[in-house]
Amino acid sequence: AQSVTQLGSHVSVSEGALVLLRCNYSSSVPPYLFWYVQYPNQGLQLLLKYTTGATLVKGINGFEAEFKKSETSFHLTKPSAHMSDAAEYFCARGTNAGKSTFGDGTTLTVKP
Amino acid sequence: DTEVTQTPKHLVMGMTNKKSLKCEQHMGHRAMYWYKQKAKKPPELMFVYSYEKLSINESVPSRFSPECPNSSLLNLHLHALQPEDSALYLCASRSQGPADTQYFGPGTRLTVL
Repeated sequence: AQSVTQLGSHVSVSEGALVLLRCNYSSSVPPYLFWYVQYPNQGLQLLLKYTTGATLVKGINGFEAEFKKSETSFHLTKPSAHMSDAAEYFCARGTNAGKSTFGDGTTLTVKP
Repeated sequence: DTEVTQTPKHLVMGMTNKKSLKCEQHMGHRAMYWYKQKAKKPPELMFVYSYEKLSINESVPSRFSPECPNSSLLNLHLHALQPEDSALYLCASRSQGPADTQYFGPGTRLTVL
């Protein structure tokens, strides 16, 4: 089955430090990949997505992700964490059937 | 306007009640979704409507009944729910294909007593 795996259910960084959230996918065909952020008691907001073309994707709030086919990865990074980045992050893939498959999520904590 | 709205924001109901959740989007999207999300878990797909027709039902119990009255509206009718159905219910819409962005509403926090 096509799936998405997020490595690390909890990530803690200091304010100003690099943020790295890991996502790997399993697929025999190139996927459509998304990163979403969810703040408490809110819906999901798209940070960025990869469909085709440039493998380094820039998103909102200073986040970016690189699609690496050889590693089947789509890790999310941000050079300098801000307190407001504390949230739940989901990696997801879209399928031709119209579904989205989500990873289990990573809780990002930012320490002052 | 890239907004998906959901009402109500919070809902408390007994196991014998009948209630409905509403979702609305005016982006012209032709695919609309209902998800259920438990705390600290990813959203679980329940239903997908494509061009106002039910295209995917992820084996959801019949106490949940979706309805798509028109291309902008999506309802979820609830009847005889169980306490384990308490969750955040998210609505989403997407323009067309799997590469398009899925826009989520803020959700309805449902508590079943």
